Amino acid sequence: DTAVSQTPKYLVTQMGNDKSIKCEQNLGHDTMYWYKQDSKKFLKIMFSYNNKELIINETVPNRFSPKSPDKAHLNLHINSLELGDSAVYFCASSQGSGGAPDTQYFGPGTRLTVL
Amino acid sequence: AQKVTQAQTEISVVEKEDVTLDCVYETRDTTYYLFWYKQPPSGELVFLIRRNSFDEQNEISGRYSWNFQKSTSSFNFTITASQVVDSAVYFCALSEADSNSGYALNFGKGTSLLVTP
Repeated sequence: DTAVSQTPKYLVTQMGNDKSIKCEQNLGHDTMYWYKQDSKKFLKIMFSYNNKELIINETVPNRFSPKSPDKAHLNLHINSLELGDSAVYFCASSQGSGGAPDTQYFGPGTRLTVL
Repeated sequence: AQKVTQAQTEISVVEKEDVTLDCVYETRDTTYYLFWYKQPPSGELVFLIRRNSFDEQNEISGRYSWNFQKSTSSFNFTITASQVVDSAVYFCALSEADSNSGYALNFGKGTSLLVTP
């Protein structure tokens, strides 16, 4: 019955590799997000998608590419991983149809460690 | 530009004490939304409250209460009779009512609360 799920929960990889994180929500929401939480616990928006369309793309390196195959899924693909990409990545979703910021519900996070 | 400041980095209290977590925000918008989230040691982000800028009524939910004051741009969170299970990092966040922003949450840096027995 998980509302927002992410896989994998942990990801350990070498510099230079390419990896993907998957996110799925079963809440019927229209908007999905990716946030990055750094080692100091600071949370920052990366991407926002509404009905499979990219709404915002913050100053994120183009090595990061979100992909939304349908409105229930928002995956994050990262090319040429760097040490500085080590962080916890959170997916979130919100209703997104009321013309106002709805409550965002977060997935459990994916802890990415780049060696 | 919007900004959220949580000046208290860490707070430590003894169980049953009341504790207030401060949140001060800046925005040029007249319509905006404020949120609080809890991140326990297990790491997930748990939604606590959502409040729009036109609703200045204080809210109480069990041991939790929120004091929203537009005059001082603050949205403070009080836990009454704290318990060990309240130990977590608490985040205040702001979102503009502007669809071009994607309604992204702009988070403060969080306040780490430790409640000891």
